Amino acid sequence: SAVISQKPSRDICQRGTSLTIQCQVDSQVTMMFWYRQQPGQSLTLIATANQGSEATYESGFVIDKFPISRPNLTFSTLTVSNMSPEDSSIYLCSVGDSNIFYEQYFGPGTRLTVT
Amino acid sequence: AQSVSQHNHHVILSEAASLELGCNYSYGGTVNLFWYVQYPGQHLQLLLKYFSGDPLVKGIKGFEAEFIKSKFSFNLRKPSVQWSDTAEYFCAVRSGGSYIPTFGRGTSLIVHP
Repeated sequence: SAVISQKPSRDICQRGTSLTIQCQVDSQVTMMFWYRQQPGQSLTLIATANQGSEATYESGFVIDKFPISRPNLTFSTLTVSNMSPEDSSIYLCSVGDSNIFYEQYFGPGTRLTVT
Repeated sequence: AQSVSQHNHHVILSEAASLELGCNYSYGGTVNLFWYVQYPGQHLQLLLKYFSGDPLVKGIKGFEAEFIKSKFSFNLRKPSVQWSDTAEYFCAVRSGGSYIPTFGRGTSLIVHP
């Protein structure tokens, strides 16, 4: 299994500002993903972070709002830009292990509140 | 597109009661099926998974799930719940050759001691 850490664990931000969330994995992984988890709702995939190329975004999410970096096989960042209260959510980093049929592991999440 | 339905959004049980959480999906082809659990204040972790073989899958902490292909279902069961099973449970389905599963909206389980 993979051990994933995220920073920060939580933050309260003002609207119009940006927050960068970091995701660190203890081993090299093929696939890294960013999800949003809102209370009472399903996990929603924001994008797949590809090492060495641009992230692949899901419908409804755009690079200008959620720029993603993945400089190597163990690290990724997600930025939530120009925040509004609607962006208040838990943001989860996840990794896929290709050695175990792409089993997914999740980080502890970053709880973001936008005021 | 794949969709995953978890019929019970909130379940409240007393300790020692039996548990069954429903999960249905829409895609009719080959699927990989998962149940994840999120205990209060902790991160999502895999409870059990089905890829092939015996449709009755046993996971950690006494949980099991049964894949019924004809019903497009993968219900989670536990014969006797404990207070420590209080958590959020998510069903997820991967299909169509995609690496990425579709998640249900989750079921909140509260077990009273």
